[in-house]
Amino acid sequence: AQKITQTQPGMFVQEKEAVTLDCTYDTSDPSYGLFWYKQPSSGEMIFLIYQGSYDQQNATEGRYSLNFQKARKSANLVISASQLGDSAMYFCAMREDSNTDKLIFGTGTRLQVFP
Amino acid sequence: GAVVSQHPSRVICKSGTSVKIECRSLDFQATTMFWYRQFPKKSLMLMATSNEGSKATYEQGVEKDKFLINHASLTLSTLTVTSAHPEDSSFYICSASAAFPYNEQFFGPGTRLTVL
Repeated sequence: AQKITQTQPGMFVQEKEAVTLDCTYDTSDPSYGLFWYKQPSSGEMIFLIYQGSYDQQNATEGRYSLNFQKARKSANLVISASQLGDSAMYFCAMREDSNTDKLIFGTGTRLQVFP
Repeated sequence: GAVVSQHPSRVICKSGTSVKIECRSLDFQATTMFWYRQFPKKSLMLMATSNEGSKATYEQGVEKDKFLINHASLTLSTLTVTSAHPEDSSFYICSASAAFPYNEQFFGPGTRLTVL
């Protein structure tokens, strides 16, 4: 079974609008962390935001926020006020704390921001 | 955030040669580094976990003798692709774990390997 599922291979959003990128996960580990990374065409992986399984509040980092719904096992990324530079691949990843810090990545969502 | 460098960024080699890729954590010490492989338009596939001073832990299906990993210091890990073949052509990315604040992985810029 897929541990991390990103069901949207591609998304379009108009500049200045908000967009939600979906991510669901599957784990039996009570302690885990969820990450979002951005990969522009240059290839580098850029860390965006982190949510711990025991965190009571949704994580926020500037224009990025994570809509964490633990019961549904979802960790959607919300990008507000989209910019042209947000066009990239976005990967959701999970670390199970019992599993030696390894990250398990989803298949990614390609976001394209248009003017 | 923490900075991880990778060298070279791009390499083209002939089939049968060996290629070494370096991964360095520039402003922090990383006891653990990870090596990933990414095919075009695909996700990252973890190849191995590299621990300073000990043998790397390889993921299932990854050939240890083909992808040699050395983690000689807290700031340097190397991946050597031995006797490279065209099917080894890929984008290789390393990452290093920083202890704080989230124990997150910081990634290098990647190395694009093309084997002719």
